[in-house]
Amino acid sequence: QVQLQESGPGLVRSSETLSLTCTVSGGSISGYYWSWIRQPPGKGLEWIGNIYYSGSTNYNPSLRSRFTMSIDTSKNQFSLKVNPVIAADTAVYFCARGVPSRIVVGTVGFDPWGQGTLVTVSS
Amino acid sequence: EIVLTQSPATLSLSPGERATLSCRASQSISNYLAWYQQKPGQAPRLLIYDASNRATGIPARFSGSGSGTAFILTISSLAPEDFAVYYCQQRSNWPPNYTFGQGTKLEIK
Repeated sequence: QVQLQESGPGLVRSSETLSLTCTVSGGSISGYYWSWIRQPPGKGLEWIGNIYYSGSTNYNPSLRSRFTMSIDTSKNQFSLKVNPVIAADTAVYFCARGVPSRIVVGTVGFDPWGQGTLVTVSS
Repeated sequence: EIVLTQSPATLSLSPGERATLSCRASQSISNYLAWYQQKPGQAPRLLIYDASNRATGIPARFSGSGSGTAFILTISSLAPEDFAVYYCQQRSNWPPNYTFGQGTKLEIK
């Protein structure tokens, strides 16, 4: 059973760089799309971007280019950097695996998810 | 950007009743739709993908239907553990993007 675990600082200062890592256990990172999704406290879900095991990336076009994703297949990990962080980046950050679609190339849903990590941006 | 609108915002029902949740897309998304259940303090749980395929381990009382711009999540007979927030989510091909609806809170009446 594949499990995902996010790690990173719970508190970061505005204008600094946030680095988060997702560690995949119980299965290989190869062959799948891996996403970061965030949820501000008390609000809805926002997809940040995804990375294929080959290293190709897609990002939410509504977000500014402050987000960068990378992958390390040897460690079964993928990462997210946000630079610079702003107050609006305060959220729970989830990592998740893309579910291969049966009707289109690529993925439509996300499963499983990590438990999430709360990141607070302070001024 | 494709916008998903969920209705109602809150649905009050009793255990054993049938729940019908709606999700409408601002333009056609074929069948590229998923549904999730989220409980407080937990990550979302995938219920349905490709509009009508149940994810692994999801009980048969959950079903999804629809295509194009109108989609429905049906819970045939509510169990006590089904009371939660439900989100729909779509995938668009170009530019590659995934967006979520604002959620429907299913509460005990």
